[in-house]
Amino acid sequence: KNEVEQSPQNLTAQEGEFITINCSYSVGISALHWLQQHPGGGIVSLFMLSSGKKKHGRLIATINIQEKHSSLHITASHPRDSAVYICALTPKASGSRLTFGEGTQLTVNP
Amino acid sequence: DVKVTQSSRYLVKRTGEKVFLECVQDMDHENMFWYRQDPGLGLRLIYFSYDVKMKEKGDIPEGYSVSREKKERFSLILESASTNQTSMYLCASATSGAYTGELFFGEGSRLTVL
Repeated sequence: KNEVEQSPQNLTAQEGEFITINCSYSVGISALHWLQQHPGGGIVSLFMLSSGKKKHGRLIATINIQEKHSSLHITASHPRDSAVYICALTPKASGSRLTFGEGTQLTVNP
Repeated sequence: DVKVTQSSRYLVKRTGEKVFLECVQDMDHENMFWYRQDPGLGLRLIYFSYDVKMKEKGDIPEGYSVSREKKERFSLILESASTNQTSMYLCASATSGAYTGELFFGEGSRLTVL
């Protein structure tokens, strides 16, 4: 079993829909990252969380340390949100190493 | 804005050639990373460096070496490129501390080895 599991693997939505991407993990962590990768390859860090909830514009990230689960929500989705969203975590025993989920491909249709 | 710059977006090399991929960051970050990304396998760590001249093997170091002579520059070297090293290579940097801080990635270098 992978240390990080993302769901769903692929998600297609209509513009304006509320979107949730989930990340479950099996190890104790120091921090969890949500990343966005657009076609062409560049990756942007959206959030880094160690507890609670963070909001940036239409994006909200939550984490439940006890349940080992994090969610990324996109409100009022737009075609420009189409990208791969990747969950990455720093296991407590790993120092600076990160463990990555395989990503969720999101497509938002107009 | 933090910037991580990778020297080449696209490279085509021949089997057996020596390949250098350069990465420069401008935020005085201690940690720098080289990953490769392949369909279905996600991001895999090749090497990382937590200080000048300090390096640590990642999950897939075979066939690669790295150099960090200056804090801002982290180079990935393929001593003798092979076709199975055709991939997207991503450099990242971050502050260090109890855990890796916010990550900043370069645009990626897509390498094709013929």
